[in-house]
Amino acid sequence: DTGVSQDPRHKITKRGQNVTFRCDPISEHNRLYWYRQTLGQGPEFLTYFQNEAQLEKSRLLSDRFSAERPKGSFSTLEIQRTEQGDSAMYLCASSFPGRNTEAFFGQGTRLTVV
Amino acid sequence: GEDVEQSLFLSVREGDSSVINCTYTDSSSTYLYWYKQEPGAGLQLLTYIFSNMDMKQDQRLTVLLNKKDKHLSLRIADTQTGDSAIYFCALTSGGGADGLTFGKGTHLIIQP
Repeated sequence: DTGVSQDPRHKITKRGQNVTFRCDPISEHNRLYWYRQTLGQGPEFLTYFQNEAQLEKSRLLSDRFSAERPKGSFSTLEIQRTEQGDSAMYLCASSFPGRNTEAFFGQGTRLTVV
Repeated sequence: GEDVEQSLFLSVREGDSSVINCTYTDSSSTYLYWYKQEPGAGLQLLTYIFSNMDMKQDQRLTVLLNKKDKHLSLRIADTQTGDSAIYFCALTSGGGADGLTFGKGTHLIIQP
């Protein structure tokens, strides 16, 4: 296990389409986080899971955004009816519970909405 | 909410020390981090410090925390071309519910 894995690395989609991204955390990590990073900005926290439970989702950007982690392992982030403003890097991170000190990030999925 | 401020750019000569600064507003921040991001890559955790510490050293990296002034700094000794990247300061209260709050990042530029 070499780290947090995200797929795809790049996604180009037309406005109005739905997209789904996948994140595979480090296998022994129970916590999984999603962030969005736009150009020239730091990452912005969206949501997080502990095992399969989504413990914080109020920071998701709109009701077009949803995330799941059905079996407590990999997670998906879906954006419905994409807009040009959704173009960004979507980052996933994972950590041990209570060990926020060691949140490891994946390489991200870069979304371009045209 | 939490506000984290960093200078956008820092230029240093190769071999000199780099000092990247960060100020924040939330005094309840308990964990403070430095991440490095190279072009097209994810974020690499460099080091972190607990709020009950005022200094942490790890090889070429030295983190200083001034809680009174809410100021965090990262010193990179003997800066090399491979240190060229964006450096992000990030904070959390530690409960996980808010995730990490990041600054906008400081672009470290190395001059030969």
